[in-house]
Amino acid sequence: SAVISQKPSRDICQRGTSLTIQCQVDSQVTMMFWYRQQPGQSLTLIATANQGSEATYESGFVIDKFPISRPNLTFSTLTVSNMSPEDSSIYLCSVKKGVLNYGYTFGSGTRLTVV
Amino acid sequence: QQQVKQSPQSLIVQKGGISIINCAYENTAFDYFPWYQQFPGKGPALLIAIRPDVSEKKEGRFTISFNKSAKQFSLHIMDSQPGDSATYFCAAVTGNQFYFGTGTSLTVIP
Repeated sequence: SAVISQKPSRDICQRGTSLTIQCQVDSQVTMMFWYRQQPGQSLTLIATANQGSEATYESGFVIDKFPISRPNLTFSTLTVSNMSPEDSSIYLCSVKKGVLNYGYTFGSGTRLTVV
Repeated sequence: QQQVKQSPQSLIVQKGGISIINCAYENTAFDYFPWYQQFPGKGPALLIAIRPDVSEKKEGRFTISFNKSAKQFSLHIMDSQPGDSATYFCAAVTGNQFYFGTGTSLTVIP
């Protein structure tokens, strides 16, 4: 399976600011995904990031709030913009390596607290 | 509409006991059913997974039982250990779409 390095691991941010989260994979992957996990909750898919195309956002998530970059097959960033306390969550990137459904790996997450 | 329902929300088991977590799904198009284990401050890690053409899969102390007709699957942790204390998520997958359960917080008491 792929090895994912996600940075930062945690951050405390002021309301109204933005934070960019980085996801680096040790090998080329076709699909990368960004999830949000609110405190005590399950994982919710924010968007799918494919290299060379615009990210595909899930219902309830918009590009202006969560812009995503995917400059190559090993790297992606998620920005949480104009943050409010409601954005306090764990943000996780995930990758699918290969075509088989069981090739999914999650990063260790970024724990974001907005004050 | 919640595609995957998971129960219980929390579970306390004595060391050496059996932990059982249940999930039920609705969409018959799902073709892969993984379980993830998540420790505090860490991302979910794939624990074990099953495809719908198999009724049971065992890996060490972890077993998935799958009932296709009832659209239910469960995780059994045999000889539960304090190190198994974590949150467990079931998921159902179709294509690239994951539908996660709401999670079960397992505590194994020494």
